Amino acid sequence: GAVVSQHPSRVICKSGTSVKIECRSLDFQATTMFWYRQFPKQSLMLMATSNEGSKATYEQGVEKDKFLINHASLTLSTLTVTSAHPEDSSFYICSAHTTKHSTDTQYFGPGTRLTVL
Amino acid sequence: QKEVEQNSGPLSVPEGAIASLNCTYSDRGSQSFFWYRQYSGKSPELIMFIYSNGDKEDGRFTAQLNKASQYVSLLIRDSQPSDSATYLCAVKGYRDSSYKLIFGSGTRLLVRP
Repeated sequence: GAVVSQHPSRVICKSGTSVKIECRSLDFQATTMFWYRQFPKQSLMLMATSNEGSKATYEQGVEKDKFLINHASLTLSTLTVTSAHPEDSSFYICSAHTTKHSTDTQYFGPGTRLTVL
Repeated sequence: QKEVEQNSGPLSVPEGAIASLNCTYSDRGSQSFFWYRQYSGKSPELIMFIYSNGDKEDGRFTAQLNKASQYVSLLIRDSQPSDSATYLCAVKGYRDSSYKLIFGSGTRLLVRP
């Protein structure tokens, strides 16, 4: 399948700091990437859709000023959690849309586990 | 009614048995259906996709789609303990002027040695 990377895989930070997470499509170009959040034992929750060269589309209830998304190139999208608080601790997963390999679907990155102290 | 519904499980089967995972969806116009596997603490991994009514086989996995009844299922033959994971059903839908995957909450599968 298509390869998507995320960095960092794990981050621990103090409350009030900002954290940037990178999502890269390694072997294909992705005009659309998605950011999800998953709390323990819960299902995936779509946070936003990131389109290259335009503003991200946020799902209802997701604060766009807190979760800044930038999709500056066809292979890179970033999510910045600004002024993080303990309740932001979660597993953040990106995915990239592709029609490679005769599919028209999303491939997920390995995820970033954020812990805010 | 949820857009994509799955039984949360756990579904427990003995090693070597067939595991049957089911999913129903509400949007009759949906055309694309996907099964992802998610191990605990890891991100989802695509294992099957199906677009047409009927069965699609890939190794030990068979996806079945019935658009008239609005259900899609995943069969895992010769289940192995390593198949123990949460299986997510996803349906491609058009929301807020763009296509996105609508996920079910997942079914946890436990394969007993």
